Amino acid sequence: KNEVEQSPQNLTAQEGEFITINCSYSVGISALHWLQQHPGGGIVSLFMLSSGKKKHGRLIATINIQEKHSSLHITASHPRDSAVYICAVSRETSGSRLTFGEGTQLTVNP
Amino acid sequence: NAGVTQTPKFRILKIGQSMTLQCTQDMNHNYMYWYRQDPGMGLKLIYYSVGAGITDKGEVPNGYNVSRSTTEDFPLRLELAAPSQTSVYFCASRTGTGARGNQPQHFGDGTRLSIL
Repeated sequence: KNEVEQSPQNLTAQEGEFITINCSYSVGISALHWLQQHPGGGIVSLFMLSSGKKKHGRLIATINIQEKHSSLHITASHPRDSAVYICAVSRETSGSRLTFGEGTQLTVNP
Repeated sequence: NAGVTQTPKFRILKIGQSMTLQCTQDMNHNYMYWYRQDPGMGLKLIYYSVGAGITDKGEVPNGYNVSRSTTEDFPLRLELAAPSQTSVYFCASRTGTGARGNQPQHFGDGTRLSIL
């Protein structure tokens, strides 16, 4: 079993829908990261959080440390949100390294 | 700021050839990383460095070597290319300030490598 599990693996939505991507992890962490990989391959960091909730534009990330679970929400989805969303964790025991989930492929249709 | 720059963007190698993937960053980051990404798989750490002169193995180091002679550069060397090394390679960096692990990583655009 992977230490970082994402669901769903693939997600197709219609423009305007509210989207949720889930991430569960099985190790102690110092931080959780959400990343976005564009269709062209580039990877950018969206959020880094260790508690609570963060918001940036239409994106919201939440984390529940006790349940070892995080969610990434996209409100009013748009075709330009189509990308792979990746969850990663910094372990308490090796904080300089990240452990990655396999990613969620999101497609938003117009 | 150019951020993290990787070269080349694409390369085809024959089995047994060697090559160096270049990575340079202009953000004065201490931490640098090399990952490979295979289809349908998560990013896997090959090697990383916490500062000039210091490198360490990640999850999948076999078949690769690295060096870190300067803060800016972190080249990845493939000595005897094998088909299993066909992948997309990403270099990343982050600052060393702040709590352990609690800084975002900045990624290069990747190098798509095919071994035939």
